Amino acid sequence: SQTIHQWPATLVQPVGSPLSLECTVEGTSNPNLYWYRQAAGRGLQLLFYSVGIGQISSEVPQNLSASRPQDRQFILSSKKLLLSDSGFYLCAWSGGTGNQPQHFGDGTRLSIL
Amino acid sequence: QKEVEQDPGPLSVPEGAIVSLNCTYSNSAFQYFMWYRQYSRKGPELLMYTYSSGNKEDGRFTAQVDKSSKYISLFIRDSQPSDSATYLCAALPASGGSYIPTFGRGTSLIVHP
Repeated sequence: SQTIHQWPATLVQPVGSPLSLECTVEGTSNPNLYWYRQAAGRGLQLLFYSVGIGQISSEVPQNLSASRPQDRQFILSSKKLLLSDSGFYLCAWSGGTGNQPQHFGDGTRLSIL
Repeated sequence: QKEVEQDPGPLSVPEGAIVSLNCTYSNSAFQYFMWYRQYSRKGPELLMYTYSSGNKEDGRFTAQVDKSSKYISLFIRDSQPSDSATYLCAALPASGGSYIPTFGRGTSLIVHP
């Protein structure tokens, strides 16, 4: 069966520090991968998605970036965090063909001080 | 107007009640519909995945889609305190190779003993 791992679960970072959140999927190949941010009462905001290695689409201009160095690995990064980057970050995957449901990791709660 | 609308609640019911959670959508191209359950500080968990109109049952959960009125529902029978969570609906079009579902903002459900 497929599993998705996301870490760390909680992270506290100072303003201006770098960020690296990692997500890996097991049990499937060539998945579509996604990064979301979820703010309280605001719903899910899609940040990035990828349909293959090295293929990244950005949905929201910001100081975050994403990379997919391997088929089942998706990384969310920032060179300098802002206070507004605080939030709950979720990684998800779906099957490689369209119309497949997404499956989410357990998220990373990021607090910027 | 968001393409998928959900009442944020909270919806509070006694244990054992039948719960009805609902979403409306505006995009006629949506053909695939999902319901997710999200516990506090956790990622959304896929509960139901349905195609087009009709009903789908899984244990205590029934998903219903009425495409003529653009209305989707999730019914929970014999609700339990452990069902207390936020429920998100989502929709995908059938064609165009879209990989990105449109999510509602979620309805908070509280089942009290």
